[in-house]
Amino acid sequence: GAVVSQHPSWVICKSGTSVKIECRSLDFQATTMFWYRQFPKQSLMLMATSNEGSKATYEQGVEKDKFLINHASLTLSTLTVTSAHPEDSSFYICSAEGRGTLDYEQYFGPGTRLTVT
Amino acid sequence: AQSVTQPDIHITVSEGASLELRCNYSYGATPYLFWYVQSPGQGLQLLLKYFSGDTLVQGIKGFEAEFKRSQSSFNLRKPSVHWSDAAEYFCAVTGFQKLVFGTGTRLLVSP
Repeated sequence: GAVVSQHPSWVICKSGTSVKIECRSLDFQATTMFWYRQFPKQSLMLMATSNEGSKATYEQGVEKDKFLINHASLTLSTLTVTSAHPEDSSFYICSAEGRGTLDYEQYFGPGTRLTVT
Repeated sequence: AQSVTQPDIHITVSEGASLELRCNYSYGATPYLFWYVQSPGQGLQLLLKYFSGDTLVQGIKGFEAEFKRSQSSFNLRKPSVHWSDAAEYFCAVTGFQKLVFGTGTRLLVSP
C-alpha cells in the first residue's frame, strides 16, 4: 500500500525560531499533498493544499507567511513554521493523493508533534 | 459546503460486544465517505470508504459501514470489539479533493 512518511516525528524548538517538517510519499508519486493541524483531542483541520510545482492554497485563517509550504517534487512537500510561538505547538499531519487517483483517497503520514517553548 | 457530524464524543463498549459509531454528513451531491482510525500520537489509517455501488461497505479489521442516503448517514459497525480497537475514529466526506472531518469519537473498550 501507499506509504507516507514524516520527519521529524517530534520536535521541540524555542520561541522565535523556525522549524521544517518533511512529508514524503515513499512508493508513489503524489501530485497533491495536504497539511493538517490537530489540537489535542480535536479533529484535523486542513491548513493548505499543495500541488507539485505550484503555490500552495491556504485555508481561510491560515497565515501563509507563517506556515510556508513547498512541494518541489512529486514525492516531497515541506512545511516550515516560521518564527514559531507557543501557540503553534500542535500535531501536524500531512497526507498525499496519488497521481492518477480517481477516488480522492488520501494517504496519511504518522504526524509530527511540535512543541514550542 | 460539506460537513460531518459525529454526535458521540466518546463511547465505551465491553470487549466482545458490538459497536456502532454514528456519522451524519451534509453534502449537495453524491458524497465520497470515509472512516479513519487514529491511535494516540499516530496518523490516520483508512478503515473503509464509500464512493458508489453497494451501500454496505466492508473494511479492514472487521469493520463495515452502511451508506443511507435518505438519512444522510454513514455509520460504522463492528460485531465484536477487541481491546485493540480502542482509538479515535473519524468520519470524513469529500466532494472534490478536500476532506472534511467530523470531530471524532473516542472508543473505550472495557474488559
